[in-house]
Amino acid sequence: QLQLQESGPGLVKPSETLSLTCTVSGGSISSSNSYWDWIRQPPGKGLEWIGSISYSGITYYNPSLKSRVTISADTSKNQFSLELSSVTAADTAVYYCARHLVSPVGEWLVPFDYWGQGALVTVSS
Amino acid sequence: DIVMTQSPDSLAVSLGERATINCKSSQSVLYSSNNKNSLVWYQQKPGQPPKLLIYWASTRESGVPDRFSGSGSGTDFTLTISSLQAEDAAVYYCQQYFSIPITFGQGTRLEIK
Repeated sequence: QLQLQESGPGLVKPSETLSLTCTVSGGSISSSNSYWDWIRQPPGKGLEWIGSISYSGITYYNPSLKSRVTISADTSKNQFSLELSSVTAADTAVYYCARHLVSPVGEWLVPFDYWGQGALVTVSS
Repeated sequence: DIVMTQSPDSLAVSLGERATINCKSSQSVLYSSNNKNSLVWYQQKPGQPPKLLIYWASTRESGVPDRFSGSGSGTDFTLTISSLQAEDAAVYYCQQYFSIPITFGQGTRLEIK
């Protein structure tokens, strides 16, 4: 059974960089049919897709965040990470990592079928 | 960006009755290569991540009760819960995966009357 678990600081100061890691167990992030995503949800609000990374390191970002976001992967640790720079209070949210499945040519097959439990990150001085 | 708009924002339905949630996309999400709609439904309960219910607009995820069904094509989609159970109280989201950025509807809160 695939499991994802977010980890990282729960409090970040304004203008600093938010850093989170998602540790995957029960499967490999190097699987050729899997992409790995970050999604966030401000308290009491809806969901926003941040971006994703493929098994080969190809990344896709939400244009609304692209200038501040970096998603990377460490296959040796079976982890992928999120960095969001220059944070403000508007970046306060529960951050989820998730997986989606793709075809051999990278087309979406199954959307976010596995999710982590989420990590609340508060931006405050 | 494709804008996803759900209706209603909230609804209350009696146990055993039918619940219907609508989702409209600002452009078609019909994927020409397989003639399927890139539309998914999730259920989210408090303190939990979203749970995948239906993808390709009408394909039920493994383990999801068959009282949940999805329909629609192009820009208009519906999630139907045929006979509401107490455990179905939740917020429901639609999402398109036709194009980047992936976008979600604003959510519909379903309560038990």
